[in-house]
Amino acid sequence: QQPVQSPQAVILREGEDAVINCSSSKALYSVHWYRQKHGEAPVFLMILLKGGEQKGHEKISASFNEKKQQSSLYLTASQLSYSGTYFCGTSGSARQLTFGSGTQLTVLP
Amino acid sequence: DAMVIQNPRYQVTQFGKPVTLSCSQTLNHNVMYWYQQKSSQAPKLLFHYYDKDFNNEADTPDNFQSRRPNTSFCFLDIRSPGLGDAAMYLCATSRTAGAGHNEQFFGPGTRLTVL
Repeated sequence: QQPVQSPQAVILREGEDAVINCSSSKALYSVHWYRQKHGEAPVFLMILLKGGEQKGHEKISASFNEKKQQSSLYLTASQLSYSGTYFCGTSGSARQLTFGSGTQLTVLP
Repeated sequence: DAMVIQNPRYQVTQFGKPVTLSCSQTLNHNVMYWYQQKSSQAPKLLFHYYDKDFNNEADTPDNFQSRRPNTSFCFLDIRSPGLGDAAMYLCATSRTAGAGHNEQFFGPGTRLTVL
């Protein structure tokens, strides 16, 4: 089953913060986050494994709540380059990922 | 640089005319995936190979086939493309040992147009 992402779209000004959520109805082993710019391939941001681990990547970090089967992506002090569509991908014990519907993020100057 | 390469980047075909998309990788990854992505939608997994072990998603139409002659190459064959098959086709790879827990590396995609 496809994980649910929220919000579907967000518009913010450069320097503002944003949170993107991803939730699943199935038990999760890992959550992946990818960013895709228009007409380009998805680019890997980070992976979180079960255990409630929080990871960071410059001003982008994420958390994984295994009990709630949810992950959140935090974008701090957004830059213009952060614009794009963010997908979470979830996996249980299988090899493959199931991607969420995506969150379109637009950062304005 | 190690990478995932897809050819062609843009493919135009006619309704019902078979088409083959190709993917190659220099990462030496054991797992290769084919995704279909329609406009404003999430990538949808069609099938994947774990080495030579082919795994088809339950809802992948029979119209879609795949071949993996060796570790480096993987092909997507669409036997009789319909208008609904117009999409971006993404190839991705990942390492072995629990590929669901490893980063997937995506190629740039092939945008297929069906006339």
